[in-house]
Amino acid sequence: DTGVSQNPRHKITKRGQNVTFRCDPISEHNRLYWYRQTLGQGPEFLTYFQNEAQLEKSRLLSDRFSAERPKGSFSTLEIQRTEQGDSAMYLCASSFRVSGRYEQFFGPGTRLTVL
Amino acid sequence: EDQVTQSPEALRLQEGESSSLNCSYTVSGLRGLFWYRQDPGKGPEFLFTLYSAGEEKEKERLKATLTKKESFLHITAPKPEDSATYLCAVQEGIQGAQKLVFGQGTRLTINP
Repeated sequence: DTGVSQNPRHKITKRGQNVTFRCDPISEHNRLYWYRQTLGQGPEFLTYFQNEAQLEKSRLLSDRFSAERPKGSFSTLEIQRTEQGDSAMYLCASSFRVSGRYEQFFGPGTRLTVL
Repeated sequence: EDQVTQSPEALRLQEGESSSLNCSYTVSGLRGLFWYRQDPGKGPEFLFTLYSAGEEKEKERLKATLTKKESFLHITAPKPEDSATYLCAVQEGIQGAQKLVFGQGTRLTINP
C-alpha cells in the first residue's frame, strides 16, 4: 500500500500523560500536514512541513503540541500533559506539486481518547 | 478570515433519487476548491479539485461544479454505497498558503 499511513490507529490515555503519533507520507511527497477533527466537524489545520522545515503553525497548536519531521520523510506529533479537550481524530496528509497544484491525500487518522 | 459553509448538514435520499450538496465559501483569492468523501472512522478520501469558476469535473455518479462564491456536488442516481460525509475545503491563493479550510460536511444517507 503506497498511501499515507498513521500509527497508532487508536490511543487511549489518562489526563496529564504525554502521547506521540507517527505519520508516514506517500513516498516522494515533500509536503506533510497535520489536522485535527472532532465529531461532526471538518478537519482543522494544525501545522505543515515542506521537507524538514515547519513552515506554518495554527493558533490551535498550543505550547503542549510539538511536531517534527527530522529527515523530511516521516513526521511525529507529540502532545504533552494531555487534556480531555485533546480528544479528537488526528489526521496526517501529504502532497506533491503536480502541474502547479497541490492535492492533499489523507491517512486513516489516529483516534485519541483522553480519560 | 476564510469561511466554508456546507448545506444541508444531513441529507437522506432513496436509492436513485438525485440531489445536490452545496458549499459556499469566502476566501481571499481562491487557489483551489477540494471535495473529499469521508466514511465513519476513516480519513478523508480525495475526490475532486476545482480551480476556476465554470469548471466541472465528474467521477462515476458525482459531478462537481464551481462558481465564484459556491460549489455544488451533484449526485445522480445514488446507490447505498454513496452514503458518507462529503467535505468541501478551500485553499487560499496567497503566496506560501498551504492549509485547507474545511466546511463541517454534509452527512449523506442513501436508503435502498
